[in-house]
Amino acid sequence: AQSVTQLGSHVSVSEGALVLLRCNYSSSVPPYLFWYVQYPNQGLQLLLKYTSAATLVKGINGFEAEFKKSETSFHLTKPSAHMSDAAEYFCAVHGNKLVFGAGTILRVKS
Amino acid sequence: SQTIHQWPATLVQPVGSPLSLECTVEGTSNPNLYWYRQAAGRGLQLLFYSVGIGQISSEVPQNLSASRPQDRQFILSSKKLLLSDSGFYLCAWSSNGRNIQYFGAGTRLSVL
Repeated sequence: AQSVTQLGSHVSVSEGALVLLRCNYSSSVPPYLFWYVQYPNQGLQLLLKYTSAATLVKGINGFEAEFKKSETSFHLTKPSAHMSDAAEYFCAVHGNKLVFGAGTILRVKS
Repeated sequence: SQTIHQWPATLVQPVGSPLSLECTVEGTSNPNLYWYRQAAGRGLQLLFYSVGIGQISSEVPQNLSASRPQDRQFILSSKKLLLSDSGFYLCAWSSNGRNIQYFGAGTRLSVL
């Protein structure tokens, strides 16, 4: 069975500041891990994926995530937040099926 | 390239009325298809998935049903809507044997 915990349902950062969205997972099989972004009233867009190759994964829009097996984490980061990054972000784990976290709403202050 | 379409984008229905949401995928064959419901602050809940025509797996017993009459068409239905059926419904597809799912734009359903 798999599960995902996203720490913090809301995160607020200033424009230009570091973005850090936290995700911890559990999986009984080697996991595939994903981050999706959702803008208001839209579907989910894939940001990046970890599929057991490099542990540091780069995605679209300047985001990246690092897979840490010892910590069962897959945190999402971006060095400098833009106003356009304001959205809801979902971490997901695929063992035998895809399971999503509850989501983190990112607010970017000007 | 592959695209996924969902309609309608928004729907307001009275309690007790029927429901039909449609999802179609273009540019691929024999996709895996999924219906999710999203409630505020609760992430995405997988409702149904299908690996082929007429093959439907239900994840959560409820007031809804799904059908796959054609290879790239997935329909979510209800005979009588409940207030609790309100939410944002998302359709997704993946290639057979691959883990990445691609999502449609969603349907906002309000049951009043």
